[in-house]
Amino acid sequence: DTGVSQDPRHKITKRGQNVTFRCDPISEHNRLYWYRQTLGQGPEFLTYFQNEAQLEKSRLLSDRFSAERPKGSFSTLEIQRTEQGDSAMYLCASSLGDFSSTDTQYFGPGTRLTVL
Amino acid sequence: GDSVTQMEGPVTLSEEAFLTINCTYTATGYPSLFWYVQYPGEGLQLLLKATKADDKGSNKGFEATYRKETTSFHLEKGSVQVSDSAVYFCALSDQGGSYIPTFGRGTSLIVHP
Repeated sequence: DTGVSQDPRHKITKRGQNVTFRCDPISEHNRLYWYRQTLGQGPEFLTYFQNEAQLEKSRLLSDRFSAERPKGSFSTLEIQRTEQGDSAMYLCASSLGDFSSTDTQYFGPGTRLTVL
Repeated sequence: GDSVTQMEGPVTLSEEAFLTINCTYTATGYPSLFWYVQYPGEGLQLLLKATKADDKGSNKGFEATYRKETTSFHLEKGSVQVSDSAVYFCALSDQGGSYIPTFGRGTSLIVHP
């Protein structure tokens, strides 16, 4: 198992453009999470999926953000009409999702977005 | 709501020094507590965790004890190495809810030879 992977690792875009990030979780993991991390801060929760169902979204996730996990495997996070304030590291994590106290999230390396 | 407060960094130490990074939390229920580490250019990795009061999590020489009476989960290591230089995040997750963790702001550790 190669762990959680994310693509691309870096993305530079101009304000107003749309961007899409991909996350491939650990294969047997049912849960997949998206976070945003800005410099000097801890990760902030955006949304998560249990299999293909999106169960919770943070109020940080504006209407310009959308996430999908169509077959319960990989997930995509799309940001439409990007703004400079969207510049951040976008982290993906996965876990077994067995609702136990030992459920542990495993993080990918992140996608660093820079909006010019 | 739930929150985590960590001591501000950077923490700068010489190799073989003793490390303490303070973490306190606020939670309505009985959370699980975690320490994650982020090495330069890498994603977060789980370092250790504890799921109930008085549990001690340990890994790679690091330890932290879940103290319910002081709502704390301080990270300690007896002798740090240069390779321990990283950012350390304390986090909690609500066991009665969706297990979505709340993270602290992180504490940068710099270890000099």
